[in-house]
Amino acid sequence: DQQVKQNSPSLSVQEGRISILNCDYTNSMFDYFLWYKKYPAEGPTFLISISSIKDKNEDGRFTVFLNKSAKHLSLHIVPSQPGDSAVYFCALGAQKLVFGQGTRLTINP
Amino acid sequence: DTGVSQDPRHKITKRGQNVTFRCDPISEHNRLYWYRQTLGQGPEFLTYFQNEAQLEKSRLLSDRFSAERPKGSFSTLEIQRTEQGDSAMYLCASRPGTGSFYGYTFGSGTRLTVV
Repeated sequence: DQQVKQNSPSLSVQEGRISILNCDYTNSMFDYFLWYKKYPAEGPTFLISISSIKDKNEDGRFTVFLNKSAKHLSLHIVPSQPGDSAVYFCALGAQKLVFGQGTRLTINP
Repeated sequence: DTGVSQDPRHKITKRGQNVTFRCDPISEHNRLYWYRQTLGQGPEFLTYFQNEAQLEKSRLLSDRFSAERPKGSFSTLEIQRTEQGDSAMYLCASRPGTGSFYGYTFGSGTRLTVV
């Protein structure tokens, strides 16, 4: 029973363009919605979050959108930079975090 | 305090052996979590502690797995009679006990390979 799904295993974007990563969930119990970035051989690093009472949160080049009626979360990165190449996980929180499967983002120069 | 520390970083063991991993959380964090990540998947929850109390265990945590957090500080995760299917990255995370998931911080993980 996959509660959190990231349907795109990989995404390739040209440097300077917008990267959009998506995440769908099935359970409405989650209070917090987060995005993590992961490089090989390292633990996930917190990127940005949004609480269930908001629909948008911005932090520099990163914006997270939450559509609770559609149970959909997205992360926008603009402009995309080569250093953004990594695996991105959405994670939904109540007592603990439940993670999606991840999307490998590659930014091409 | 430099964050969440995990030891060892890598462990190779023969099938049937026991292994133990250690996690040192951020000192002021009273919640500590263990996750397991296999190739191509996101981290999967195993168990978590509030101080020294183990409050929840996933069904993924079979009876060969045991976790402790004596005195509410560091934690250990032991796997007995390891199997090849136990090969994974084991991640530890900690956070303050109240409020949002702000500050939920992961360690670099222990990569276990069972041969």
